[in-house]
Amino acid sequence: DSGVTQTPKHLITATGQRVTLRCSPRSGDLSVYWYQQSLDQGLQFLIQYYNGEERAKGNILERFSAQQFPDLHSELNLSSLELGDSALYFCASSPRSLVETQYFGPGTRLLVL
Amino acid sequence: AQTVTQSQPEMSVQEAETVTLSCTYDTSESDYYLFWYKQPPSRQMILVIRQEAYKQQNATENRFSVNFQKAAKSFSLKISDSQLGDAAMYFCAWCRNTGTASKLTFGTGTRLQVTL
Repeated sequence: DSGVTQTPKHLITATGQRVTLRCSPRSGDLSVYWYQQSLDQGLQFLIQYYNGEERAKGNILERFSAQQFPDLHSELNLSSLELGDSALYFCASSPRSLVETQYFGPGTRLLVL
Repeated sequence: AQTVTQSQPEMSVQEAETVTLSCTYDTSESDYYLFWYKQPPSRQMILVIRQEAYKQQNATENRFSVNFQKAAKSFSLKISDSQLGDAAMYFCAWCRNTGTASKLTFGTGTRLQVTL
């Protein structure tokens, strides 16, 4: 158990819908990262937050957005969902914003029908 | 753009034997970190080992060790005394030491089978 929690574990929804994925980092960690793992794209970095501020952005679609709240939990919002958004979404956390080991949560498996 | 290449989609090893997983990367940066993550069937991403590019000494963690060749941009993982629990997908990852952000760039993974 990495100490990072993600909810829900599984999500099934329809095209065009909007979902919110939630992540709670390890106690004391200030940085949260979101990654997407899909069969065709592999593991891709989406976005990083540090202590409430966006620090880095990767291949995140405009339909996707994220935020980190004062209690340091983070949410990833996915809207206007398409079939291709079906993937495993990971959240990871690390103590600061510098290069440190990132500890991954168990992931949220999203299936868009 | 930085890329990480794992040229072995699948590998197989017998229990108690040694296996080496390959990883190469392409970067013009000089200050970076390299990682190996394990993803068992549960899909959890578990850190196996980490290497700082400025360190010449190869990292080791129990039965896991790396062969880091900076000039060749190569970062292979050696698993000694393989166990059934080592069966998983293994991902090599690269991270630039920017001082402000640390996103991981992953390879495509190597699926390791461990046989009796």
